[in-house]
Amino acid sequence: GAVVSQHPSRVICKSGTSVKIECRSLDFQATTMFWYRQFPKQSLMLMATSNEGSKATYEQGVEKDKFLINHASLTLSTLTVTSAHPEDSSFYICSARELAGVHNEQFFGPGTRLTVL
Amino acid sequence: GQNIDQPTEMTATEGAIVQINCTYQTSGFNGLFWYQQHAGEAPTFLSYNVLDGLEEKGRFSSFLSRSKGYSYLLLKELQMKDSASYLCAVRDSDTGGFKTIFGAGTRLFVKA
Repeated sequence: GAVVSQHPSRVICKSGTSVKIECRSLDFQATTMFWYRQFPKQSLMLMATSNEGSKATYEQGVEKDKFLINHASLTLSTLTVTSAHPEDSSFYICSARELAGVHNEQFFGPGTRLTVL
Repeated sequence: GQNIDQPTEMTATEGAIVQINCTYQTSGFNGLFWYQQHAGEAPTFLSYNVLDGLEEKGRFSSFLSRSKGYSYLLLKELQMKDSASYLCAVRDSDTGGFKTIFGAGTRLFVKA
């Protein structure tokens, strides 16, 4: 199946700093990428839908100025958590949809565990 | 809006069969997915249903009834490695595109 990578896999930062997470589709083009957040023992919560070359669409309750999303190419989307605080500590997972896929299924990256001290 | 319900936890015995149910409500249904997720890892794709009926893939089968807003995932010949969370997800058509919304997941414990 298609492969989606994320970098970094794990990051620890101080409160107030910004953290950038990269999501890449390695062997396919993804015009749409999704960013999810998952707290312990909870399901994935969709944060935003990222479309190549246009502004991201944020879900209700997600601050677009805090979670900056850039989707500059068909294989790369980035999520920047600005002025991170301890409550932003979570597992962030990106997903990319392969348009040429059989089911238009979404492939998930391995996730980035963010810990804000 | 969307609403997806599935049991929080289930326990089954190695070698047995278990059925995980999922009910959903959505305004623009465009397919239902089942994913498996082990702790600390990203979800992996198991199945996809967009038409009514049963889809079988090895030890895993998934069923969909669109009129009832209902799906189930059937796992046969359970193995210890099947202990994981199983996520029911519905793709919903939205203005200008689609998005996939996940249920809270069902944690399955397989015991010897």
